[in-house]
Amino acid sequence: GQNIDQPTEMTATEGAIVQINCTYQTSGFNGLFWYQQHAGEAPTFLSYNVLDGLEEKGRFSSFLSRSKGYSYLLLKELQMKDSASYLCAVRGHYDYKLSFGAGTTVTVRA
Amino acid sequence: DVKVTQSSRYLVKRTGEKVFLECVQDMDHENMFWYRQDPGLGLRLIYFSYDVKMKEKGDIPEGYSVSREKKERFSLILESASTNQTSMYLCASSQGQSSTDTQYFGPGTRLTVL
Repeated sequence: GQNIDQPTEMTATEGAIVQINCTYQTSGFNGLFWYQQHAGEAPTFLSYNVLDGLEEKGRFSSFLSRSKGYSYLLLKELQMKDSASYLCAVRGHYDYKLSFGAGTTVTVRA
Repeated sequence: DVKVTQSSRYLVKRTGEKVFLECVQDMDHENMFWYRQDPGLGLRLIYFSYDVKMKEKGDIPEGYSVSREKKERFSLILESASTNQTSMYLCASSQGQSSTDTQYFGPGTRLTVL
């Protein structure tokens, strides 16, 4: 099975940087995904990591360390529209299901 | 763009009723998934399907069944709705069997069982 932990809530100021951590304990690993979900809307794909290291996509970056069972999502130059829930999800090795963490609600304040 | 649609955004049913939630994707995806999302618990997988007429149990299949008669459509069935099935239900689809395949989600159906 999969056990995925991430903080429940984070608050930051517009223009700042926020780092959302995700730790996982899994029976197999075949990739880690980050999704963004605005209130009342569907989750949308942000990033994917399968090898150790940093993946950068504009203001968003995601890091993975497989040996530590650890990932983070870095949001830079925060904007009000970044207020949302951020979901960490792990894919198992022998199937293509995703196991999700409970999500981190980020609130961006002016 | 991938489009995943769900038949209703909001649904109110009574205890004991049979409930059908429909999901349709328009990108010829092989895989389809049904999740429920509850505060503090995140998304939990109910059932998924890798092919037409094929289904696999997820982590919480009890009280649910599914049907996939056509590739683009995946239905979730609550045989006898109960109040603890009040939740947000999300459908998703993904391309095939590659490890990089992304799941695309529908807008969700908020089901209330009275």
